[in-house]
Parts: sequence; structure tokens; C-alpha cells
Amino acid sequence: DARVTQTPRHKVTEMGQEVTMRCQPILGHNTVFWYRQTMMQGLELLAYFRNRAPLDDSGMPKDRFSAEMPDATLATLKIQPSEPRDSAVYFCASGLGHGGSVNEQFFGPGTRLTVL
Amino acid sequence: DQQVKQNSPSLSVQEGRISILNCDYTNSMFDYFLWYKKYPAEGPTFLISISSIKDKNEDGRFTVFLNKSAKHLSLHIVPSQPGDSAVYFCAASRNAGNMLTFGGGTRLMVKP
Repeated sequence: DARVTQTPRHKVTEMGQEVTMRCQPILGHNTVFWYRQTMMQGLELLAYFRNRAPLDDSGMPKDRFSAEMPDATLATLKIQPSEPRDSAVYFCASGLGHGGSVNEQFFGPGTRLTVL
Repeated sequence: DQQVKQNSPSLSVQEGRISILNCDYTNSMFDYFLWYKKYPAEGPTFLISISSIKDKNEDGRFTVFLNKSAKHLSLHIVPSQPGDSAVYFCAASRNAGNMLTFGGGTRLMVKP
């Protein structure tokens, strides 16, 4: 049963603390995306990787957010220091990206982050 | 600057009738469009897509229509079922497999 997994599912932390969210993409998928869903902004792209290389992270606040893919089975999104405005649901998605091919992205269940 | 817009935040439809969800985009470089469905506490799931070389794509009860000149697409669900009640997101990209730009979503409620 191939699916994207994300941990933790819920995280409550205090302002200023470091938060790390993890994602395991579907085996064989070469593209990984991080999205954030808030009430005000809807679903917005933060960053994405192809073959583990970052392709676009323009949606991510660089001073506090960082995204990495240590290997093909793990993507991480870190926030340091966290702020209350970071409270949102963070989704990871994976797909087979090779431009011009009809493929959809598969989303994980999300990490609900609350920063107090 | 919202490049993909869903102007109706919610829609209520009677079971068995047609649901029509609309989406507008501004970026003429978009050439691939998708609809996702999202239940509470779950990630979005892919529903149906359409390439800009087509104007219609059908999959069972779901049909997506694309009007490139108007930069408008719509999702038709016929007949609507209570299990279709969810938030529907329209998304667009330049080339399949690349980053998606999402609309704000439309909450569909199908009443029994």
C-alpha cells in the first residue's frame, strides 16, 4: 500500500523552539513537495525537490525555515525558531516529475503544528 | 497575487443533482490542471486532471472542462452523492510533475 507518510501528525510547541517535520515519499517517486495550509492562505508551496536537489524554495521564509532530503526516503522541514504565525498544517507530497508527463502528486496526511 | 482562484468558498447541492465547481486562473503559462478532494484531517487526494491540449476530460461521475480563452475550468459531478461532501481544490502547473499552484478551495456539501 504505497502512500506518503508524515511524522509527527500533531505537534504543539512553544514559541522559539525548534520544530522538525519528517516525510517519507512513495518509493520510486523522484519529486517531493512541502505545502502549508492556513485559513488565510489556503494551500501554498514552500519548497520542492527533484532527485533530492532543491528546485524551488522561494515560498519558504529563509531566515527560519529549512528543507532537506538527506536521502531518497526522507525529507525534512525544520523551523527554528518557531513563531505563533507558523501554526498551520504542513503537507508533504511526492510524485514522478519529468516534465510533460501526466502525473499527479500524492499527499501525506499532514502535520498539524501549533506554536503557542 | 492569486494566480488560481476559486471564488465560491462553499456550495450546497441536493443528492442526485449536478455539482459544478469553478476555478479561474491568470497565468497563461499554466498548461496542466488538476482537481483535488480533501476530507478533514486528511491530505488532498487527486481526483482528475486535464492538459491544456484538451477541453474536456471525463472519469466516471467527474468531468473537468477547460476554457483556455477564458482561463476558466470547472468540475462537474453527476450525480452528486453525500460522500462527495469535501473541500475541492483546483490546481495548476507549468508542465505536469512540477509545482502546483492551488486555489483557495470550495467546500461542497451534498444533502441527502
